[in-house]
Amino acid sequence: KAGVTQTPRYLIKTRGQQVTLSCSPISGHRSVSWYQQTPGQGLQFLFEYFSETQRNKGNFPGRFSGRQFSNSRSEMNVSTLELGDSALYLCASSPEAAYRGRHEQYFGPGTRLTVT
Amino acid sequence: GIQVEQSPPDLILQEGANSTLRCNFSDSVNNLQWFHQNPWGQLINLFYIPSGTKQNGRLSATTVATERYSLLYISSSQTTDSGVYFCAVIVSGSQGNLIFGKGTKLSVKP
Repeated sequence: KAGVTQTPRYLIKTRGQQVTLSCSPISGHRSVSWYQQTPGQGLQFLFEYFSETQRNKGNFPGRFSGRQFSNSRSEMNVSTLELGDSALYLCASSPEAAYRGRHEQYFGPGTRLTVT
Repeated sequence: GIQVEQSPPDLILQEGANSTLRCNFSDSVNNLQWFHQNPWGQLINLFYIPSGTKQNGRLSATTVATERYSLLYISSSQTTDSGVYFCAVIVSGSQGNLIFGKGTKLSVKP
């Protein structure tokens, strides 16, 4: 089976712009979660989508949003970019909703976003 | 909220040496995973181990859920083992997001 894929892998944006990142989960997986990794804050949970519904959201401002399509692919959007949004964005897929807690999560290669 | 603490934060080994990485967590969990982050940033799954012991080649892991810790053993280390090792947990009864420790940065010297 193909692993989790993320596009694009690298992105440079200017402060104030918006950006959309894409994640395709492992075939048959229905849950997609997004995480942000920065040197200062480490790995932090953004949100989880399952069956096209946001099931869980971390402590991030409303500028961060996402959605999931019927084929389980997910996108996340960051509007009005700030310098502090520069980070590695990772998505993870799981067969079932993460709250069930008993399924391994698999991560994609990440999208490295630089905001200048 | 739950605290996930990994030790040591940094570890330098000579190739061929053995090591033990530790993960302590402050609340009951129903999921625990160990990851290795490669130089390009991808998190590679090592173990899904909410309890018990597992082995995969030179790596093994043990989680004692009742005492709230997990150990990752690396034997006969190789330079390719270098990188950051993360422990991540899902708190029992939570909405299911992984909570990560700050990681252990391992450097294996030839």
